[in-house]
Amino acid sequence: KQEVTQIPAALSVPEGENLVLNCSFTDSAIYNLQWFRQDPGKGLTSLLLIQSSQREQTSGRLNASLDKSSGRSTLYIAASQPGDSATYLCAVKAAGSYQLTFGKGTKLSVIP
Amino acid sequence: EPEVTQTPSHQVTQMGQEVILRCVPISNHLYFYWYRQILGQKVEFLVSFYNNEISEKSEIFDDQFSVERPDGSNFTLKIRSTKLEDSAMYFCASTRDRSTDTQYFGPGTRLTVL
Repeated sequence: KQEVTQIPAALSVPEGENLVLNCSFTDSAIYNLQWFRQDPGKGLTSLLLIQSSQREQTSGRLNASLDKSSGRSTLYIAASQPGDSATYLCAVKAAGSYQLTFGKGTKLSVIP
Repeated sequence: EPEVTQTPSHQVTQMGQEVILRCVPISNHLYFYWYRQILGQKVEFLVSFYNNEISEKSEIFDDQFSVERPDGSNFTLKIRSTKLEDSAMYFCASTRDRSTDTQYFGPGTRLTVL
């Protein structure tokens, strides 16, 4: 059974700092990995999707990497802003499955 | 930009009552999903739906749950007899392709069972 773990559970950084969020998964047989942002009491906003054949994806200040063989992904946020404060979720889609399996998330606070 | 919509945003019900949560997926998407998130816990998969039938379901999705696409735009989740432990945020999602496409999520329905 696929398990997804995100470390750290919470992170507080001063504005302007670059940061890395980590995600690990137990089964490397995946179709893709998705990073989401969730604001309190709100839905999930998709940030980046990395296919199993890709090593990284970039969108603006965000860069996500994938090392499928070691079961790891990182989300790099450059020049953090207070508006980046949210919970970031990592989710993987296992090969042969329809479902996404989620980690518990990293709660990010960017202090002005 | 197209988006997944869900109604109602908040539903309060008494234990044992039936509830129907509604979703309108993105119009050209073919695969539809329900997930739930109990407060403070992970987002959990409930069910996926394709071509008018369930394609995959989790252990959570027992006989109390059912899904339906009653017309060309709506996708519903029914809970027949709600329990206290069904209180959660329920998210609908959709995607064009099973394996390679982004899953787009709706804003969620907060279900409170009293």
